Amino acid sequence: DAGVTQSPTHLIKTRGQQVTLRCSPKSGHDTVSWYQQALGQGPQFIFQYYEEEERQRGNFPDRFSGHQFPNYSSELNVNALLLGDSALYLCASSPPQGLGGYTFGSGTRLTVV
Amino acid sequence: SQQGEEDPQALSIQEGENATMNCSYKTSINNLQWYRQNSGRGLVHLILIRSNEREKHSGRLRVTLDTSKKSSSLLITASRAADTASYFCATDRGSNYKLTFGKGTLLTVNP
Repeated sequence: DAGVTQSPTHLIKTRGQQVTLRCSPKSGHDTVSWYQQALGQGPQFIFQYYEEEERQRGNFPDRFSGHQFPNYSSELNVNALLLGDSALYLCASSPPQGLGGYTFGSGTRLTVV
Repeated sequence: SQQGEEDPQALSIQEGENATMNCSYKTSINNLQWYRQNSGRGLVHLILIRSNEREKHSGRLRVTLDTSKKSSSLLITASRAADTASYFCATDRGSNYKLTFGKGTLLTVNP
């Protein structure tokens, strides 16, 4: 049973560019959440998608947007990249009603130069 | 913003010793969870304790929760070199509610 799959694993972008990160949830999970983890810090909640809509959002600017597809997979888009966006981006999926808790992917390491 | 604060920030012990990490949080919670992260990779769920529970065990792990003090502790007994990782506590206010993480404790277990 595959867990949460994220792609790509590593990415280098230039300031001002746009980036799209992808996440496939664990089988049977319908909710996807995204977190940003800066070096030496704990993960920070970006947003959560359920039934193809953003259900919760953390304290991130509108440059961060997302999407969930009918198969529950999700994308995280970041526009106008800043150096400070360099971080590990983690995707977590959870089953219906949240029963059973979250499963995290291995993350995408984004470096903005 | 960070909800929890782990203490200590770093801990170095010898194999076979016990490791204790503490977590404090600020607001009321529904659940508190502990996660492990190896070298900046993904988070691995270790254990979940509900707000109405006081203690929980899983293998070599023991977690306690004191909601009156808004604090939790994670004890790893008989540590192994493979336990070397960062450990994070995370709180939520309900199922499928966002997780709020602390800054983590870096545990180093020396062989």
